[in-house]
Formats: sequence, structure tokens, C-alpha cells
Amino acid sequence: GNSVTQMEGPVTLSEEAFLTINCTYTATGYPSLFWYVQYPGEGLQLLLKATKADDKGSNKGFEATYRKETTSFHLEKGSVQVSDSAVYFCALSQHTGANSKLTFGKGITLSVRP
Amino acid sequence: DVKVTQSSRYLVKRTGEKVFLECVQDMDHENMFWYRQDPGLGLRLIYFSYDVKMKEKGDIPEGYSVSREKKERFSLILESASTNQTSMYLCASSWDGANYGYTFGSGTRLTVV
Repeated sequence: GNSVTQMEGPVTLSEEAFLTINCTYTATGYPSLFWYVQYPGEGLQLLLKATKADDKGSNKGFEATYRKETTSFHLEKGSVQVSDSAVYFCALSQHTGANSKLTFGKGITLSVRP
Repeated sequence: DVKVTQSSRYLVKRTGEKVFLECVQDMDHENMFWYRQDPGLGLRLIYFSYDVKMKEKGDIPEGYSVSREKKERFSLILESASTNQTSMYLCASSWDGANYGYTFGSGTRLTVV
């Protein structure tokens, strides 16, 4: 079956540090890949996505590239801010048309210190 | 923007009670989902629905049921609440999850005492 593996957390960084959060997946075929973010007390929000190999998703200074050869979708940001403190989830969805399901990783908590 | 509204942010219920968690979306999405979120376990799919009156079990359906009488509303039912059902419950909807992902509600934190 499908699965998503995220690096263990939590992660604590100082403001303006470089961020990498690792995500690898197991799936048949060519899934779509997503990063979701959950700010304290809120539901999940879509941060970025990539629907085919070598696509790069980007939003709010975050980037992730769909690497089929390494089955990875690592999240990066060049300079984090305190407001980036949140829980980050990697997820995949098979291309099964409109009736598709998301499989999530366990999430990782990011804390950014001023 | 599409909005997914969960009726309660916080609920406290007693063991053995029948509990209803309500979710409404306003963008005519076909697909709706219920997840529970627990520390260290991430999000786990309880039930989902691809159309009115349709439902399918997710990964952890035991102790839960669902109802979808109207397209915009998807209810999660705990038939007899137990303390191990204390959790954050998240509802989501989508039109085409594979290409656009899901839209989530803000969640309901349920405590069963």
C-alpha cells in the first residue's frame, strides 16, 4: 500500500536559518505529492503540491521538488520566520480520478526562535 | 474560497454517550472525509464518502459510523463514546484530491471522560 515517511521531530531553528524537512514515499505509479501546514489551533492548510515527476511546488518561500528516482519530496525554505512555527505534513494521492484519497505522514513540529 | 465548517471546536462527553460531529462544506464538493489526529500517529482516515448516501470505511472505522444525507453535510457518529476516542477530529472535502488536495475544517477536539 501507499505510505509516507517523514523525518523525526521536533525541529527547533533560529530565525533566518535554512530549513529542510525530509519526506519519502512508497506508492505504485505516479502519485501527486503535497505539503500541508497546521498552525496552532487550526486545521490543515495546503502549502504546496506537485503532480508529476520533476515538478517543483512553491508557496510562501517554501519549495519542494518531486524526485521520482529517490521517491522524495523534501520541503525547504531559505530563511525561516517565527510565524513559520507549525506542524508540517507530507501527503500523497494516487491518480485515481476525482475519487482519490490522501495518505499522510506523521507530521513534524517546527519551532522557530526569535 | 471553499469553506469547511465543523460545528464545535471543543466537546466534552461522557463514556457511553452517543456523539455527533457535524461537518458542512459550501462548494459542492463530491468527496468528504473524516480523520482523527493523535500525537505521534499523524492523521488516520476513519470514513469517507464520494457521494450522497455513499460511505466507505477508512483505516480505523471501528467504533464510528457516518451519515451523508445531503451533499454538503457529512456527520461522524460515535455510537458509544469511549475514552480512547479522545482526539482531534478533522473533516475535509475535495473536488479532485489527486490534483488539488483537500480543504480542511478547523477541527473538533473531543474529550471523553
